[in-house]
Order: sequence, then C-alpha cells, then structure tokens
Amino acid sequence: DQQVKQNSPSLSVQEGRISILNCDYTNSMFDYFLWYKKYPAEGPTFLISISSIKDKNEDGRFTVFLNKSAKHLSLHIVPSQPGDSAVYFCAASASGAGSYQLTFGKGTKLSVIP
Amino acid sequence: DAGVTQSPTHLIKTRGQQVTLRCSPKSGHDTVSWYQQALGQGPQFIFQYYEEEERQRGNFPDRFSGHQFPNYSSELNVNALLLGDSALYLCASSLPGQGYGYTFGSGTRLTVV
Repeated sequence: DQQVKQNSPSLSVQEGRISILNCDYTNSMFDYFLWYKKYPAEGPTFLISISSIKDKNEDGRFTVFLNKSAKHLSLHIVPSQPGDSAVYFCAASASGAGSYQLTFGKGTKLSVIP
Repeated sequence: DAGVTQSPTHLIKTRGQQVTLRCSPKSGHDTVSWYQQALGQGPQFIFQYYEEEERQRGNFPDRFSGHQFPNYSSELNVNALLLGDSALYLCASSLPGQGYGYTFGSGTRLTVV
C-alpha cells in the first residue's frame, strides 16, 4: 500500500516555463513534507519542505503548495532550467506521532528542454 | 566539509552470502538512517540509529541489522542475501536529535547473483 504517490513517472518542460510536479498521500498522520532532487549516481539532495500548518513555502525558484483537505502537494519550479533535469522525490513524515522515517514516492523524472 | 561517505560504492555478492555496508555521517551529525532503493522505486526506510541504538525500524526482516559506533559512523549488515536484496542502499545523516533533516550519501549499489 503506497502512502505517498507520484503518479507521473516523467515530465518534459521547455526551458523558462513552469514545471509542476504533483504528489498525493493517504496517511493523515503525515505532518511534514519534503522534496528531494536526485541526479544519477548521486544521493538525493534536499530541495524544500513544508509543515502541515502552512499551505505554501517558497525558496527562490521553488515553491511547494500543500492542500491538506485533498492530501495533495505540488512543487512549482519557475523558471525551469536545464540543470533542473533530475528525478524529484516527494517524501512525508509523521513527526508529530514520533516517527523519524521518511516515506517516499516513486519519483518523477523531470526533463527541461533547452 | 565532507558530506556523507559510503563504502563500497559497488559490490556483487552471491545469494546466501552476508554483506556489510559502511557509512560515515556528515561532520556534526549524530543520527544515521539507512534506506533501500530498488530500481524504479523511491527509497524505503530500513532503520535509524541514534546514540548507538536502533531508534526506529521500518518493515524489513531481521536479516537486516545495523550498528552505530561512538564516532557516529554506522554499518548495515544483511545476512542470507536474496536476489531481491539487489538495490541501492542509501545512508543519510542528520543533526543532533533531528530525525529527518537528512543529508544523503551517494549510496552503495549491491547486486546479488
């Protein structure tokens, strides 16, 4: 039973346009959400996070939106750059329940076309 | 500043054998977690070590065990290897007492034949 789902295995976007990556979750105990970026032959790199008490968090070109009622979050990248091409993982934690583990989705491969 | 260091980077083992993977956390980090990433999947939590003890464990059999040393480095041991254990094993470290603000290593690619 997948508790974090990224339903789009891949996404192609033109350079300069907006990239929107989506993530759905089923566990109501999740209260902290993170996005990681992964290049081939490297470990995942933390990108941005959001607590369940917020609905938006921004960091430069990256913005994460959280819709708790829909159990949905999205990552917006504006403008997209070729260096953004990577696999993006959505992850969730139930920190309020004393859990330290991250539950990851399967990832979305983003290709930014110059 | 060295990040998370994992060794070896690749190894091949035969079914039924045992394997030990090693991890040195980022400087200043005292918590180490291990994740298994199978092909086409997201990382799956194996366990987390803090203060030399297993603090939390994911849904993995007892064949998977670990250890944390006084210098915060860690080992992951897998006994009686199965073909399905073939995966990328990721180590992640985090700040004192913080459970999930991870820095990941590049991983160890284990192939079981």
